[in-house]
Amino acid sequence: GAGVSQSPSNKVTEKGKDVELRCDPISGHTALYWYRQSLGQGLEFLIYFQGNSAPDKSGLPSDRFSAERTGGSVSTLTIQRTQQEDSAVYLCASSLEGGASYEQYFGPGTRLTVT
Amino acid sequence: AQSVTQLGSHVSVSEGALVLLRCNYSSSVPPYLFWYVQYPNQGLQLLLKYTSAATLVKGINGFEAEFKKSETSFHLTKPSAHMSDAAEYFCAVSGDSGGGADGLTFGKGTHLIIQP
Repeated sequence: GAGVSQSPSNKVTEKGKDVELRCDPISGHTALYWYRQSLGQGLEFLIYFQGNSAPDKSGLPSDRFSAERTGGSVSTLTIQRTQQEDSAVYLCASSLEGGASYEQYFGPGTRLTVT
Repeated sequence: AQSVTQLGSHVSVSEGALVLLRCNYSSSVPPYLFWYVQYPNQGLQLLLKYTSAATLVKGINGFEAEFKKSETSFHLTKPSAHMSDAAEYFCAVSGDSGGGADGLTFGKGTHLIIQP
């Protein structure tokens, strides 16, 4: 079956522009996670959705970051006024339910480069 | 709060030799522990996980890991390395047995190099 897909696979943007990153989870998975992978910080957890709801947004790096999920499926991560330190690979994962006992399946990521 | 320490950012072994990747964790609650592998330009793939059942966990591709509570360790081993094992390996912990809201906390990763 289809895995987690993310688009675009690569995005180059100029500093100050807004970007939207998309994640399509595995069909039927109610939980969705966003992570950021960068050379300096490693893998960081950003936000978790159970259905369309994100109970805790404190993991987002700044108020320029926002995320939403609609219809219990597709999620978008939006970065406003991008900065060079936002350059990273953004990974999305989904699982059947929330909670550590459920395996998280990762997408291939979106590589964001801010110039 | 949880944290993960992976000893050695790079580990090099000869093909056919034992692979040992070290992971130590801290967690304020009984942990769930994971090892993931990442091949170049790909997402993460789960190798194995510990969820408080057997302390010796077997995973895919011949890997296994042993949970040692007294040492707060979850080291990954494979008896005989293969060239295809060359990749980045991440240890992760989740202390959230409930809703998943904390996500996974990852170590910095260990790059495994296989020498022919």
